[in-house]
Parts: sequence; C-alpha cells; structure tokens
Amino acid sequence: NAGVTQTPKFQVLKTGQSMTLQCAQDMNHNSMYWYRQDPGMGLRLIYYSASEGTTDKGEVPNGYNVSRLNKREFSLRLESAAPSQTSVYFCASRPVWSTEAFFGQGTRLTVV
Amino acid sequence: GIQVEQSPPDLILQEGANSTLRCNFSDSVNNLQWFHQNPWGQLINLFYIPSGTKQNGRLSATTVATERYSLLYISSSQTTDSGVYFCAVEQIGANSKLTFGKGITLSVRP
Repeated sequence: NAGVTQTPKFQVLKTGQSMTLQCAQDMNHNSMYWYRQDPGMGLRLIYYSASEGTTDKGEVPNGYNVSRLNKREFSLRLESAAPSQTSVYFCASRPVWSTEAFFGQGTRLTVV
Repeated sequence: GIQVEQSPPDLILQEGANSTLRCNFSDSVNNLQWFHQNPWGQLINLFYIPSGTKQNGRLSATTVATERYSLLYISSSQTTDSGVYFCAVEQIGANSKLTFGKGITLSVRP
C-alpha cells in the first residue's frame, strides 16, 4: 500500500516550458488535491477534485490546469512555467467516509 | 474564509524539554490535523483531531472545538522533533478544503 505517490520528486524548468506533475493514490479515495508551499508559508490549495469527473479552483489556481484522469490519478499541468511557480507541490487525497487528508512526498519545482 | 493562527512562530528547546504548540481558528471546523514537516520536506501526519484528545508516544494533542483552538504537546523533546509543525483545518461547508496555518518552526538542541 503506497498511499499517495507523486512524480517527479525534483524538477528544474526554464521559463516558458511546460510540464505535468503526476499524482496517484491507491486508497480508493474520492477526493484529491494539489497544494503549493512557498517559504515561510503554509500550504495553499491550487485545485481540487471532490470526485472523479469534477475539478474546482482553490485559492491560487492561476497558471495551472488539472485533470482527474480516473479515480486514482490527478495531474497538475503548468502550460508556461514562470519563476513565481518555483515551489514545493503536494498532492493529497481523502476518502468519502472521513475528513482526514493524506499527503504525498512532494515535488520540488524550480523555474529558472 | 477561515483564519488559522499558530503560536509561537519559532521555538528553541533543549533536548529533554517539554513544549506546547497552539493553533487558533476563527470558525467551526469538521477537520483538524497536525503535521510535522521534517528537514527533508516530508509532511508527516501526526494527528487527525477535530475534537477531543489523542496521544501517540511522546506527542499528544487536544482540540477544544467549541473554543476554536488546538494544542500539540511534545514531551521529552528529541533532536529529531526539529522541523516545522503545521495545523490545518477544514471549515464546515468548505467542501473538503484544508486551510493551513503558517507553521511553527521548532529547533531542538542537543
């Protein structure tokens, strides 16, 4: 049981490049989330998916798109990376029967 | 939206000391979680505690939901307790979205 798995763990992009961060959970959870963490701050919600087939904006959605590919997978895409998107990105999931969230290991992204 | 305030922002302890970390929130919640972010950046889920008291080894937590605060107790601190401690809450009606505090940076010195 791997829990929430994020790939890659580290990535360096040049300004303007695109990339997709992958997240998969094997706990049969309904809800999935993408957060970003900037220095000195807590995590802030980018997008979430309350169930398969639905996605909604969080607190800081600009510059990102998401896809809930199936119940297991929720990807985050940066179409044209900017230095302001340098951050650590966390994926999380939650079952329908509880309000407890489970987090992945994080992806450290640097945009130069 | 809901406000989450953690205090103190920074804490330095000598190994073996005890400490209390506080999380205040501004509205009713149906989820409260404490996390430890270790020096490698991993988020470790310490407690899921929307109300009541729980203990896990040297750590314990209490949430008084009616008074809108939670406390995390660390006893006999160890250097491995160093890192950042986050409180995160879900406001009732917030459609499963967690709001994080800014964290408490704990340094335990040998």
